[in-house]
Amino acid sequence: DQQVKQNSPSLSVQEGRISILNCDYTNSMFDYFLWYKKYPAEGPTFLISISSIKDKNEDGRFTVFLNKSAKHLSLHIVPSQPGDSAVYFCAASVIQGAQKLVFGQGTRLTINP
Amino acid sequence: DAGVIQSPRHEVTEMGQEVTLRCKPISGHNSLFWYRQTMMRGLELLIYFNNNVPIDDSGMPEDRFSAKMPNASFSTLKIQPSEPRDSAVYFCASSRNSAEAFFGQGTRLTVV
Repeated sequence: DQQVKQNSPSLSVQEGRISILNCDYTNSMFDYFLWYKKYPAEGPTFLISISSIKDKNEDGRFTVFLNKSAKHLSLHIVPSQPGDSAVYFCAASVIQGAQKLVFGQGTRLTINP
Repeated sequence: DAGVIQSPRHEVTEMGQEVTLRCKPISGHNSLFWYRQTMMRGLELLIYFNNNVPIDDSGMPEDRFSAKMPNASFSTLKIQPSEPRDSAVYFCASSRNSAEAFFGQGTRLTVV
């Protein structure tokens, strides 16, 4: 049972344009959402997060949007840069009690020059 | 801060052998997580500790897998006996009272 789903295994975007990565979840108990970025041969690194009390969180070129009614979140990267090429994981957790993260399958983003 | 340190980075072993993966979390972090990444299942949580106590081991696939955290600065994940289907990248992560976990570089395990 995949509680967090990233339906696009890969995405290719032109440098300078906007990259939009999508994530859906099924567990309505999730109240905290995170995006991680992973380069080959490295561990995932935390990128940005959002609490369920918000619908948008912005950090520089990265913005995460949360639509609770649709159980959907997205990560926008603008403008996209070659260094953004990586695998992006969406993750969710229930803050109260456990801190464990449930990850999506990941989306491989490739930024083309 | 050196970050989460895992060893070894790569491990190749024969089926049936015991494998021990090691992790040193970031100093001051009170939660430690072991994850496994495979092509089929992505990143899945195996077990996590809070203040050195195992809280949830529901992700541990079988009794062949065991994890310990004898103190705040060290944890091990042991597979005995190992099988080819255990081949994966194993990540250790730690956090301090938050959901933002910091990951190590992983151990790539190959069981032949």
